[in-house]
Amino acid sequence: NAGVTQTPKFQVLKTGQSMTLQCAQDMNHNSMYWYRQDPGMGLRLIYYSASEGTTDKGEVPNGYNVSRLNKREFSLRLESAAPSQTSVYFCASTLGTGLRNQPQHFGDGTRLSIL
Amino acid sequence: SQQGEEDPQALSIQEGENATMNCSYKTSINNLQWYRQNSGRGLVHLILIRSNEREKHSGRLRVTLDTSKKSSSLLITASRAADTASYFCATDALNKAAGNKLTFGGGTRVLVKP
Repeated sequence: NAGVTQTPKFQVLKTGQSMTLQCAQDMNHNSMYWYRQDPGMGLRLIYYSASEGTTDKGEVPNGYNVSRLNKREFSLRLESAAPSQTSVYFCASTLGTGLRNQPQHFGDGTRLSIL
Repeated sequence: SQQGEEDPQALSIQEGENATMNCSYKTSINNLQWYRQNSGRGLVHLILIRSNEREKHSGRLRVTLDTSKKSSSLLITASRAADTASYFCATDALNKAAGNKLTFGGGTRVLVKP
């Protein structure tokens, strides 16, 4: 019973490099989310996918792209990493499909440092 | 911008004491949720309270919601060392277009000393 799995757990990049953060959930959830958490702060929404085949921008989408590969998987890509993107990235999922009042389930995060 | 603002930012108590933290928000909500985050881990859902509810209990947790004041509180009774964590409130806006997107507060760091 894995829930939400994120890979990798840690990554160090140089400025300008690209990388993709992977997220997969095994709960048959429809909606998936990417957040970033900076030191001492709450989570800010980067992108979300309300259902398979759809993606939308959140609060802080600049510098990121996403792909909803299938119902299980939702990836986050940094095309040209910048030091300001140093953060902890969390993926989450929820049942969605118009159902409200649903909790979100989170992965354990990817800790990303950009030098 | 963050919808929820939490108070206090940090809280230190002795094991067995109660811990209370507050959350204020700005816009009308469908529900408000509380999450716990242990150091180095993801967030874990604790409790969800709908906008038409005023109080909800789950084990040692008690959540209140005052929509007229746009505020909520989380009470942890008889705290344990294992309750040491950061606690976040998150709001689900009333706007249907918002879907199930949550807006998080900055969190309260709770330290329970044995």
